[in-house]
Amino acid sequence: DAKTTQPTSMDCAEGRAANLPCNHSTISGNEYVYWYRQIHSQGPQYIIHGLKNNETNEMASLIITEDRKSSTLILPHATLRDTAVYYCIVRVAGTGGSYIPTFGRGTSLIVHP
Amino acid sequence: NAGVTQTPKFQVLKTGQSMTLQCAQDMNHNSMYWYRQDPGMGLRLIYYSASEGTTDKGEVPNGYNVSRLNKREFSLRLESAAPSQTSVYFCASLQALSYNEQFFGPGTRLTVL
Repeated sequence: DAKTTQPTSMDCAEGRAANLPCNHSTISGNEYVYWYRQIHSQGPQYIIHGLKNNETNEMASLIITEDRKSSTLILPHATLRDTAVYYCIVRVAGTGGSYIPTFGRGTSLIVHP
Repeated sequence: NAGVTQTPKFQVLKTGQSMTLQCAQDMNHNSMYWYRQDPGMGLRLIYYSASEGTTDKGEVPNGYNVSRLNKREFSLRLESAAPSQTSVYFCASLQALSYNEQFFGPGTRLTVL
């Protein structure tokens, strides 16, 4: 699976959009981009995933560049509860047992009042 | 539907003691994983089980053993605990051959004195 690069930390004002970047320049054509977040030592929680089209759900939006070498997770109206570590990973979906999920250090997002 | 459950939530051991961390999932997932997370670090894979009856080493397997008891349960054993194994341990599961997300348990906080 392709490796990802994320900024170590970011901050955002409450109510504003939080835009978290991820670089995955070696991504393969059949690899998806997944985002998870981990709130204060709880287990990581899935947010969203996509292949090449932009995706939106009730939690966030995912924007993937046309060349698929980078993506941005957007939290449209950040709240204090969004303070967490955000992980971007890429993987080949549907690979069965050969999939070994790898998490880096992620981006620590602090939302301030 | 409880998702992924882990027991115990907290544990304190003395150096040299042994213990088993239990993990169970009720989502009929094929694959299960054990990670450890040290302060300020990302998740590191200890062992995984791609399917019932199989287990494989991850990034940091030394000092641990695992058992995939059945499709639901995947246990992690520390035979002779060491202070370096003080960490938070997360179990996770995934439905292989799908695009769905990985689900994580709440974690076990282990301290080895």
